[in-house]
Amino acid sequence: DGGITQSPKYLFRKEGQNVTLSCEQNLNHDAMYWYRQDPGQGLRLIYYSQIVNDFQKGDIAEGYSVSREKKESFPLTVTSAQKNPTAFYLCASSLNAGVGTGELFFGEGSRLTVL
Amino acid sequence: GEDVEQSLFLSVREGDSSVINCTYTDSSSTYLYWYKQEPGAGLQLLTYIFSNMDMKQDQRLTVLLNKKDKHLSLRIADTQTGDSAIYFCAESMRNTDKLIFGTGTRLQVFP
Repeated sequence: DGGITQSPKYLFRKEGQNVTLSCEQNLNHDAMYWYRQDPGQGLRLIYYSQIVNDFQKGDIAEGYSVSREKKESFPLTVTSAQKNPTAFYLCASSLNAGVGTGELFFGEGSRLTVL
Repeated sequence: GEDVEQSLFLSVREGDSSVINCTYTDSSSTYLYWYKQEPGAGLQLLTYIFSNMDMKQDQRLTVLLNKKDKHLSLRIADTQTGDSAIYFCAESMRNTDKLIFGTGTRLQVFP
């Protein structure tokens, strides 16, 4: 079945460590996104990528990094520079920017807790 | 600036109708969306409405769009306990590939 797979579902990290969250899609979508979700704040865009080898900062990119070496994969690294990394992270994809209804397909999320 | 606002909580009795409201700021949005999030999971698209429409009905769901007031609402008829979730409205920004999400409304359905 087609979809988006995020891993791990739960992750614990000590302060000062970098951690990478995986996001893979087999929907043949061009665009991929990372959102952060905090209680009462909705979803905030971290990074997004429209095509392979290209990505743009979202509203809260500081302390995060991404890569888009393959169409199917868009990993997110939470670096030690991110001051408050404990959150629920959601990856999404869409067919292409400006095409169709712009519907986003979401993964099941990764919950990161910094100890 | 870009801002999508929703009330945080809504509590309804099973069988009643639920109405979740949303206000947005970008009058040039092409599409407006309603997403549903079950506990501990990702978001799923419930429905969407094109900006040149003022109403869309899909089974128990009715979406109303008031472009003049930049107000979007989602009505769920005959609300069931399985409808308990967080509901997000979102707008697409014209000529970009970004969606701007609201803060989410937590709907609680009690028997």
